[in-house]
Amino acid sequence: QSALTQPPSASGSPGQSVTISCTGTSSDVGGSNYVSWYQQHPGKVPELMIYEVNRRPSGVPDRFSGSKSGNTASLTVSGLQTEDEADYYCSSLAGGNNVVFGGGTKLTVL
Amino acid sequence: QVQLQESGPGLVKPSETLSLTCSVSGGSISSGDYYWSWIRQPAGKGLEWIGRVFPTGTTNYNPSLKSRVTISLDTSKNQFSLKLSSVTAADTAVYYCTRGSVTVDPWGQGTLVTVSS
Repeated sequence: QSALTQPPSASGSPGQSVTISCTGTSSDVGGSNYVSWYQQHPGKVPELMIYEVNRRPSGVPDRFSGSKSGNTASLTVSGLQTEDEADYYCSSLAGGNNVVFGGGTKLTVL
Repeated sequence: QVQLQESGPGLVKPSETLSLTCSVSGGSISSGDYYWSWIRQPAGKGLEWIGRVFPTGTTNYNPSLKSRVTISLDTSKNQFSLKLSSVTAADTAVYYCTRGSVTVDPWGQGTLVTVSS
């Protein structure tokens, strides 16, 4: 299985919106409703931000939203705040009951 | 709430077997519909799923690691474990134990395992 494809970096100014993509295949992202997004600050444990494509755990700000179209899932962060600067990873259920992660995207708040 | 804590040697010699245990508190690993997983992260790199175990004992492994990985449950101790054989320097990473596999929450704090002679 190959890792999901994410852009290495993304950026935006405070208050703006930024969207991070996560591209897979019909065997993973395209064929699954189990797509998640994680936020990881330097030296910290990853935190679940979005699950099942577009569901938000309690406590996660509604500035974070998820969507999917075909083989590409997306995480949108609206109203960017400085504390949103972190690495973001997507993951998906894949064929053969496996799980695959994206390579990660470093989000910079300018 | 459920909490997870990894334990095990922080240094493993090349060609030997890496063994880690995850102790779960605040909930039983044998109840519910959750998978219990291991995920690793080399320094400065991304996350890699290693594998998962269901309360029934059913396991799934990353195909790239499958020949070297064993994940098992010890319900009497409310723990699950990871064994990775024939390790090399490429297996040096922070290893996380987690509840869930795609929807992962919570995560353990992670433990650094270095493979070196």
